[in-house]
Amino acid sequence: AQSVTQLGSHVSVSEGALVLLRCNYSSSVPPYLFWYVQYPNQGLQLLLKYTTGATLVKGINGFEAEFKKSETSFHLTKPSAHMSDAAEYFCAVSDPPGNTPLVFGKGTRLSVIA
Amino acid sequence: DAGVIQSPRHEVTEMGQEVTLRCKPISGHNSLFWYRQTMMRGLELLIYFNNNVPIDDSGMPEDRFSAKMPNASFSTLKIQPSEPRDSAVYFCASQREGWNEQFFGPGTRLTVL
Repeated sequence: AQSVTQLGSHVSVSEGALVLLRCNYSSSVPPYLFWYVQYPNQGLQLLLKYTTGATLVKGINGFEAEFKKSETSFHLTKPSAHMSDAAEYFCAVSDPPGNTPLVFGKGTRLSVIA
Repeated sequence: DAGVIQSPRHEVTEMGQEVTLRCKPISGHNSLFWYRQTMMRGLELLIYFNNNVPIDDSGMPEDRFSAKMPNASFSTLKIQPSEPRDSAVYFCASQREGWNEQFFGPGTRLTVL
């Protein structure tokens, strides 16, 4: 069965610093990969997704992620953190790809320090 | 479009009571998913429907949980009887055929005392 591992349940960065949130997945075939963000007391909002094609995908709010098949990774980055980026981030996989349920990682809480 | 609509947003009930959570998917979306979020287990799938038909309910914890989708615009998740360990945030999400994105509702925060 597919699984998603997010390394670090809590990451703290200074405002303006690089954000790096790690995600590794296990799947028998290249799946579809997603990053969602959850602000307090809200639902999940899609940040970006990888389906096929270019392995470096750009999302909203300046975030991007790179699909590395050899490393089974899909790490999320942002060059410069902003206070408004403080939230919970979830990596998810859809396997098989399509209208199928998402399998989520445990989430990483991002704190941004002024 | 108003997005995925869930009601109620908050529910506090006592152990043993019946609880019904409601979801209205985005118009035109043919897949609907119910997820539960807890601190211990994170986000996990309970059940999902394609074209109003339940496809996989293996995530439903036990017989106390049931879900229906009588038409394309409405789904319910019922817990009877409720227990304190059912306390969680329940999310509904919908997806259009061929689109690679699930849209989530705001969730229902359930507290069972």
